[in-house]
Amino acid sequence: GAGVSQSPRYKVAKRGQDVALRCDPISGHVSLFWYQQALGQGPEFLTYFQNEAQLDKSGLPSDRFFAERPEGSVSTLKIQRTQQEDSAVYLCASSASFSVGGADTQYFGPGTRLTVL
Amino acid sequence: DAKTTQPPSMDCAEGRAANLPCNHSTISGNEYVYWYRQIHSQGPQYIIHGLKNNETNEMASLIITEDRKSSTLILPHATLRDTAVYYCIVRVATTWQAGTALIFGKGTTLSVSS
Repeated sequence: GAGVSQSPRYKVAKRGQDVALRCDPISGHVSLFWYQQALGQGPEFLTYFQNEAQLDKSGLPSDRFFAERPEGSVSTLKIQRTQQEDSAVYLCASSASFSVGGADTQYFGPGTRLTVL
Repeated sequence: DAKTTQPPSMDCAEGRAANLPCNHSTISGNEYVYWYRQIHSQGPQYIIHGLKNNETNEMASLIITEDRKSSTLILPHATLRDTAVYYCIVRVATTWQAGTALIFGKGTTLSVSS
């Protein structure tokens, strides 16, 4: 009955390194979102999955950012050649359905704090 | 850009009601009002949502004006653990085609003191 989990909780990378951030959504949740939260700001949308399909990646800031959800469950956000401006908290959220006319609620994980030196 | 306007900060005494306002004058008929909060170093936590009727759950009450251009989140008996950033978000109802992301503004920082 656990909620959304993310790992690692903290990641320090040297500029130029590649990083991979993991999200385990609530079991059975169809929708999965990634958000980026800079210090002192609200979260900003990065990308959205419906099962294994990535339906919206309009928020990804550059082609260095890549996300996948190959089996429709766990998702990984990968950042290649990290830059200092990538330092932020990366949040994952999942929701149960894409119900017609409904209002699906997103449940967030604790986030991964990425610091690029 | 966020479609809501909130005061940047508010204070509340422990045990008193906290009333957090939100303006959403351009809200559309098919958009819900959502409230989330974010306690320091944690992910956002869902509180409540509504379309046009007032709503209440174990955490809070949501009062939406008749014209739906503003709303108020009410925490009836604030505690120190309610200190957080509170986000008011308007969001279209999800269709079968795709989920809709939450667009966060800067929110209201609520400080509850003893």
